Amino acid sequence: DGGITQSPKYLFRKEGQNVTLSCEQNLNHDAMYWYRQDPGQGLRLIYYSQIVNDFQKGDIAEGYSVSREKKESFPLTVTSAQKNPTAFYLCASSTLPGQNNEKLFFGSGTQLSVL
Amino acid sequence: EDQVTQSPEALRLQEGESSSLNCSYTVSGLRGLFWYRQDPGKGPEFLFTLYSAGEEKEKERLKATLTKKESFLHITAPKPEDSATYLCAVSPFSGTYKYIFGTGTRLKVLA
Repeated sequence: DGGITQSPKYLFRKEGQNVTLSCEQNLNHDAMYWYRQDPGQGLRLIYYSQIVNDFQKGDIAEGYSVSREKKESFPLTVTSAQKNPTAFYLCASSTLPGQNNEKLFFGSGTQLSVL
Repeated sequence: EDQVTQSPEALRLQEGESSSLNCSYTVSGLRGLFWYRQDPGKGPEFLFTLYSAGEEKEKERLKATLTKKESFLHITAPKPEDSATYLCAVSPFSGTYKYIFGTGTRLKVLA
């Protein structure tokens, strides 16, 4: 079945530690996204990528980094510079704007907590 | 500034009690408006895409409509399994791949 796989489902970060969230898609989508979701707030865009080896900062990129070495994969690293990392992280992918049936497909999310 | 506002924040309905959720938006140009359903601890699940004013989409007990300033998600005769958070998002003609989300409406349907 086609879809987006995020791992792990739960992740704990110690003070000063970098952690990496995995996101893999087999939908052959060009665009991939990382969103952060906090209680009572809308989804906020961290980074997005339209093509391999290229990505752009979203609205809250500080303290995060990404890579896009393969079309299928878009890992997110939460660095020690992110002082409030506790949140639900969602990876998504989509076809390019203007193409038929454009919509975001989401993974099942990763809950990150600070120890 | 592009913005999406959803109301109400939370809604409790009795089973069978129909109602509507609202999504108001301001964008420089609307490419598409999207509705999603999200269950606790899970990723949002796609429901509908609307592209132009006057457009309507239906799926089981849900019907989405679109005007130039807002969209409604009508829920007819809801069941307890319809309980979830419903998210609205817009994609503006900004030249980027951004989707702007509202904060959602938490729906609880009581048996």
